[in-house]
Amino acid sequence: ETGVTQSPTHLIKTRGQQVTLRCSSQSGHNTVSWYQQALGQGPQFIFQYYREEENGRGNFPPRFSGLQFPNYSSELNVNALELDDSALYLCASSARDSGDLEQYFGPGTRLTVT
Amino acid sequence: AQRVTQPEKLLSVFKGAPVELKCNYSYSGSPELFWYVQYSRQRLQLLLRHISRESIKGFTADLNKGETSFHLKKPFAQEEDSAMYYCALSASRGARQLTFGSGTQLTVLP
Repeated sequence: ETGVTQSPTHLIKTRGQQVTLRCSSQSGHNTVSWYQQALGQGPQFIFQYYREEENGRGNFPPRFSGLQFPNYSSELNVNALELDDSALYLCASSARDSGDLEQYFGPGTRLTVT
Repeated sequence: AQRVTQPEKLLSVFKGAPVELKCNYSYSGSPELFWYVQYSRQRLQLLLRHISRESIKGFTADLNKGETSFHLKKPFAQEEDSAMYYCALSASRGARQLTFGSGTQLTVLP
């Protein structure tokens, strides 16, 4: 069984640029959630995708968007990057249809905006 | 709105001593409560959830709806328990988004 993977591990971008982060869900999981973890804080929910559709969103502006593909992998896109977007971005997958809603986390992508 | 508060950012105890990590929450419905743990250089992982009423690695947590608390306890701390602990809440229905506290870094001293 393969765990959740994320790429890239680290990323440095300039304010105003756009970034795409990628997540491969654990085998058998059809639901992906994205979280932002600022330094010294707990993860904060961005949004969740289930069967390729957004299924819940936290308090994040529209410049944070996502996609889920037929193989259940997912992308997080952030446009017009701001300095405050610097954080660890976590992806978590779960097997919603099985009734087991435990979320399994990936190692994260560290984004630095300069 | 849902909120999770972990009042202690840092907690140090000696090996063999009891440990309690505090968690308070606010939510108008019937939440599910979780404890997640992150060991050094490892990813975030589920430690336990209140609905299963399990004891994992000697840790237990009881949901107290009157005090809106879900404190994590262990009677005898071990050095390998040193980690970052996050309390999290999920609405019992809906997108199952997790609302996390800011975490408590536990250090168990030899």
